[in-house]
Amino acid sequence: EIVLTQSPGTLSLSPGERATLSCRASQSVSSSYLAWYQQKLGQAPRLLIYGASSRATGIPDRFSGSGSGTDFTLTISRLEPEDFAVYYCQQYDISPFTFGPGTKVDIK
Amino acid sequence: QVQLVQSGAEVKKPGTSVKVSCRAFGYTFTGNYLHWVRQAPGRGLEWMGWINPYSGGTHYAEKFQGWVTMTTDTSSSTAYMELSRLKSDDTAVYFCARGGHYAEYLQDWGQGTLVTVSS
Repeated sequence: EIVLTQSPGTLSLSPGERATLSCRASQSVSSSYLAWYQQKLGQAPRLLIYGASSRATGIPDRFSGSGSGTDFTLTISRLEPEDFAVYYCQQYDISPFTFGPGTKVDIK
Repeated sequence: QVQLVQSGAEVKKPGTSVKVSCRAFGYTFTGNYLHWVRQAPGRGLEWMGWINPYSGGTHYAEKFQGWVTMTTDTSSSTAYMELSRLKSDDTAVYFCARGGHYAEYLQDWGQGTLVTVSS
């Protein structure tokens, strides 16, 4: 199975700062079948990015995704108070459709 | 507006089974695959498998083959996930999620159902 590694585990930043989250795959993810989700405590995950770089409906343009092959990045250009949450990447190329362990973005 | 509404919390004894439902609103139920994902307390997300409501075809993660069953009732736009031979480490929140357009990203999620397995 494809193992996804996310770094850092925790990112401590202030509102207004830029956040850069990394997701690395143990083998190439073809057709960029890579998604990013945001999850807040006690809530279901929310789709942010699919196809490595396409924003889901209603997602603000401060969220952007990039990358291909084995290295992918989620960037939040300027953190808003509601962006402090846990972020997961997921590959949906090869079953099982694995998730990374998550990156927690918390307030510095 | 798309909504996936799941059944309520369950408490089960080890060795028994649980069946969680997920009713869909706001889209054509047979138009997208329906996935199940679980999350143990304080842990990450684990993908379990999908069902194609149009054909009834299923695909389960190898880990769950033989003890998960996913079904649908198209007359009520409802999907079901049944997990058998429950163990304490099956205690988790179980989510249903709608697959994407021609690719299986998870574009809409149910609110989650907490299943607690305890003697």
